[in-house]
Amino acid sequence: EDQVTQSPEALRLQEGESSSLNCSYTVSGLRGLFWYRQDPGKGPEFLFTLYSAGEEKEKERLKATLTKKESFLHITAPKPEDSATYLCAVQPNYQLIWGAGTKLIIKP
Amino acid sequence: DAGVIQSPRHEVTEMGQEVTLRCKPISGHDYLFWYRQTMMRGLELLIYFNNNVPIDDSGMPEDRFSAKMPNASFSTLKIQPSEPRDSAVYFCASRLTLENSPLHFGNGTRLTVT
Repeated sequence: EDQVTQSPEALRLQEGESSSLNCSYTVSGLRGLFWYRQDPGKGPEFLFTLYSAGEEKEKERLKATLTKKESFLHITAPKPEDSATYLCAVQPNYQLIWGAGTKLIIKP
Repeated sequence: DAGVIQSPRHEVTEMGQEVTLRCKPISGHDYLFWYRQTMMRGLELLIYFNNNVPIDDSGMPEDRFSAKMPNASFSTLKIQPSEPRDSAVYFCASRLTLENSPLHFGNGTRLTVT
């Protein structure tokens, strides 16, 4: 069965303290892995798409990487405005399989 | 582009009443999706359309739920009659293609059924 698991469920960091969020997946085939950011009261906002193992993408303080079994979202020197829930989704066919998300809190 | 637009942002209704949620997708996007998000179950796909035609409605929980897309710029999700367990945030999203393009979400409708 296709499955996506995100860890940790929640992460509290001090401003400037770098860390990584994990998205592990078990799917029959990978047509894309997506990272989204969701702020309270808003819809998920697209961040990155990764298509093949070894691929990396960066945007400001965020860097996403992909292996055959998992993806990491690395956050470098985070700021309070990076606080949000980060969602991962995997596309094995036409549908997206969503993880439950990691709630990231950055304390000033 | 203004992005995906949903209305209303909040809806409070009593059990048994009809609820209609509305969505305007991004112009030019061929695919439209309705999702429901709850703390317990996360994001769940309810139904999706391709070129205004419903393709997969297997996620629609019951016959009380129905969705239409009369044209490329408008879709509705209707719940009749509504029940307290329908309380959730409902998102509409659109996508240019099913390959190599991301899903773009609206800001959702928070539905509360009392």
